[in-house]
Amino acid sequence: KNEVEQSPQNLTAQEGEFITINCSYSVGISALHWLQQHPGGGIVSLFMLSSGKKKHGRLIATINIQEKHSSLHITASHPRDSAVYICAVPYSGGGADGLTFGKGTHLIIQP
Amino acid sequence: NAGVMQNPRHLVRRRGQEARLRCSPMKGHSHVYWYRQLPEEGLKFMVYLQKENIIDESGMPKERFSAEFPKEGPSILRIQQVVRGDSAAYFCASSPETGEDTQYFGPGTRLTVL
Repeated sequence: KNEVEQSPQNLTAQEGEFITINCSYSVGISALHWLQQHPGGGIVSLFMLSSGKKKHGRLIATINIQEKHSSLHITASHPRDSAVYICAVPYSGGGADGLTFGKGTHLIIQP
Repeated sequence: NAGVMQNPRHLVRRRGQEARLRCSPMKGHSHVYWYRQLPEEGLKFMVYLQKENIIDESGMPKERFSAEFPKEGPSILRIQQVVRGDSAAYFCASSPETGEDTQYFGPGTRLTVL
């Protein structure tokens, strides 16, 4: 069964700073998900990636399959980016599996 | 194309009552996943269903919980004789086909047991 570790657990930064959130997993996977959750809110899927790098606006996600590691970057951070960011992988690595999740990174961007 | 829909968004039950949570997957999606998020905890997988079949229920509590995804209509997560510890947010996600990794999440149902 895959295990997911995220760091940091909590991150407070000033508006405009470059943010990096890291995720490591234990079992080889077909793809990794980055999700965003606002307090009391639903879950938004930010990225699903299986190799390399993806970019969407100010968000960038990278993955290194050999090292079983992924990073989520936020450039020019803004207070509206404040949320919990969650990394998730298929729990036994395969495509149609249910997901296993990291504990999340609580990000606060101060104006 | 409407997203994944869940209803109700908020559900209040007294101990011992039954809770029924509904999930309508995205159009064309035949795979549904249910996840639970307990207060102050991370998300946990509960069950994975395809139309009329339970594929993996390894994350589902053995008693009181059941799930179905009939040929017609939404997927239902049913909790019988609810207890306070069942209070949580329940999310469903759907995906289009076997081997397709992308899961699209619904807004969740927040269950409160009094």
